[in-house]
Amino acid sequence: DIQMTQSPSSLSASVGDRVTITCRASQSISSYLNWYQQKPGKAPKLLIYTASSLRSGVPSRFSGSGSGTDFSLSISSLQPEDFATYYCQQSYSPPFTFGPGTKVDIK
Amino acid sequence: QVQLVESGGGVVQSGRSLRLSCAASGFTFNSHTMYWVRQAPGKGLEWVALISYDGSKKYYADSVKGRFTISRDNSKNTLYLQMNSLKPEDTAVYYCARDGGGIAVTGTIDYWGQGTLVTVSS
Repeated sequence: DIQMTQSPSSLSASVGDRVTITCRASQSISSYLNWYQQKPGKAPKLLIYTASSLRSGVPSRFSGSGSGTDFSLSISSLQPEDFATYYCQQSYSPPFTFGPGTKVDIK
Repeated sequence: QVQLVESGGGVVQSGRSLRLSCAASGFTFNSHTMYWVRQAPGKGLEWVALISYDGSKKYYADSVKGRFTISRDNSKNTLYLQMNSLKPEDTAVYYCARDGGGIAVTGTIDYWGQGTLVTVSS
């Protein structure tokens, strides 16, 4: 099975900051990498698919990049509604494993 | 609009069984791969199982293989998860989810249900 890691596990940031979260796969997954946002008590929401494609309706301050084993999610200017936990997920082969998550909270 | 509504969660003793259901609406259910994903209290997301649009392909996480069975009834627009030999470590919110790729298995989840809590007591 493909293992996913994320760093950092948590970070504190202020409104307006640029934030970057990284995700690494245990083997090459080409561009088969998705990013989800989850707020407490809610189901996750898809933000980015195939590494860099922004889902319709997701603000353009979110962007994704990477291929192979190393990926990143960036938020260009953090907004109050962006404080949440972010998960990467590989969609290269089942089981479609998730990363452990990165919690973004208010500094 | 796409709706996925899970039911069937509750408290169950270790070793017993439980069946979860997920009622789908707002899309052509028989044209999408479907998933179960779980989340233990305070923990991250764990992918559990998938079933192809026609039920011909199924795949399970190692942690549930041989104990859980995913199935679907396309005539009822309903997804199921039969959970046998439950363990305390199966305690989690279980989410029903849809693959955004239609009949293809893409692994990308575009819609999630609100989840149903399963608590396994020892």
